[in-house]
Amino acid sequence: AQSVAQPEDQVNVAEGNPLTVKCTYSVSGNPYLFWYVQYPNRGLQFLLKYITGDNLVKGSYGFEAEFNKSQTSFHLKKPSALVSDSALYFCAVRDISGSGTYKYIFGTGTRLKVLA
Amino acid sequence: NAGVTQTPKFQVLKTGQSMTLQCAQDMNHEYMSWYRQDPGMGLRLIHYSVGAGITDQGEVPNGYNVSRSTTEDFPLRLLSAAPSQTSVYFCASSYSGQGGVVPQYFGPGTRLLVL
Repeated sequence: AQSVAQPEDQVNVAEGNPLTVKCTYSVSGNPYLFWYVQYPNRGLQFLLKYITGDNLVKGSYGFEAEFNKSQTSFHLKKPSALVSDSALYFCAVRDISGSGTYKYIFGTGTRLKVLA
Repeated sequence: NAGVTQTPKFQVLKTGQSMTLQCAQDMNHEYMSWYRQDPGMGLRLIHYSVGAGITDQGEVPNGYNVSRSTTEDFPLRLLSAAPSQTSVYFCASSYSGQGGVVPQYFGPGTRLLVL
């Protein structure tokens, strides 16, 4: 079964410092990976995705993610954190098992807190 | 485009009551899904649809029904609400293309409290 894990419930970082939010995955076949962000009382918003190609994927709001096949990881990164980046971040993988072509499996989420 | 809309934003039910959570999208997306979000559990798929007239169960379908009579609408029905269904519910839509590896567009959510 395909799955994603976000090992940290919360990540704290000082404004201006680089941030990393971790995600590891387990899939059969090629991984199709996504990051979403959720601000308070809002739905999830798409940040970026990895299908194939370059291991460093760039997305919205200055975020990027590094795909590492040997470590089965897809960590979200940003060179300089902003207070406004404080939110809940979800990693997701597309489930390609069975007939669930458009089913997605989400991690449990990581709360990012950027301190001024 | 309004995107994905959900109503109501908040609802309180008593155990045993029924209700329908509404979801609509104006992007002509074929695929629509319902998720519930619970603390420490992430998002879990309840039901999904790959087009009008076609629905299927997700990870946690018990206690919920869906139908898809039009491309735009995908209501979620709770037949007999239970306290375990207290959660935040999100509807999402997406489209075919890019080999199916496309992002989902989420609605703002419905917060449900079952007493």
